Amino acid sequence: GAVVSQHPSWVICKSGTSVKIECRSLDFQATTMFWYRQFPKQSLMLMATSNEGSKATYEQGVEKDKFLINHASLTLSTLTVTSAHPEDSSFYICSAREDGSSYNEQFFGPGTRLTVL
Amino acid sequence: AQSVAQPEDQVNVAEGNPLTVKCTYSVSGNPYLFWYVQYPNRGLQFLLKYITGDNLVKGSYGFEAEFNKSQTSFHLKKPSALVSDSALYFCAAREGNKLTFGTGTQLKVEL
Repeated sequence: GAVVSQHPSWVICKSGTSVKIECRSLDFQATTMFWYRQFPKQSLMLMATSNEGSKATYEQGVEKDKFLINHASLTLSTLTVTSAHPEDSSFYICSAREDGSSYNEQFFGPGTRLTVL
Repeated sequence: AQSVAQPEDQVNVAEGNPLTVKCTYSVSGNPYLFWYVQYPNRGLQFLLKYITGDNLVKGSYGFEAEFNKSQTSFHLKKPSALVSDSALYFCAAREGNKLTFGTGTQLKVEL
């Protein structure tokens, strides 16, 4: 299957700083990318959907000024957590889909563990 | 709005025995259904999907799932479980651009 990478795999930062997470599709062009957040022993919650070259669509309750998403190319999307606080600590997972068919499955990155001190 | 339910938080099975992980769904229109597996601190790996056609879908690592429209279910099955199958399993339904996940079922396969 297609490969999606994320960097970094884990990050620890101080409260108030910003953290950028990268998501790349390695062997396909991802027209659509998704960002999820997962709390321990819970399901994935969709944060936002982004299409290359356009603004991301955020789910209800997700602050777009806090979670900045950029999908500048067909192989790269970034999530920046601005002014991070301890409650932002979580496992962030990106996903990518090569559109052209509504039957296409999403491929998921390995996730990024964010810990805010 | 679509929803996916996984009624069991955990399923325990002995190695070599068949396993079933349950999933029911509620969608408007035709269901596009998926199963994913997640190992600790890892992203999700695609196992199989149902779009249309045969109700029995075969996927990776010997897993299969049975689509039952009348019961709105999409249970994941494997004839003979392995210890290495121990992981967190997610059922998901896709409607439009959005994939909705169930709450996950922890599968534990013991010797």
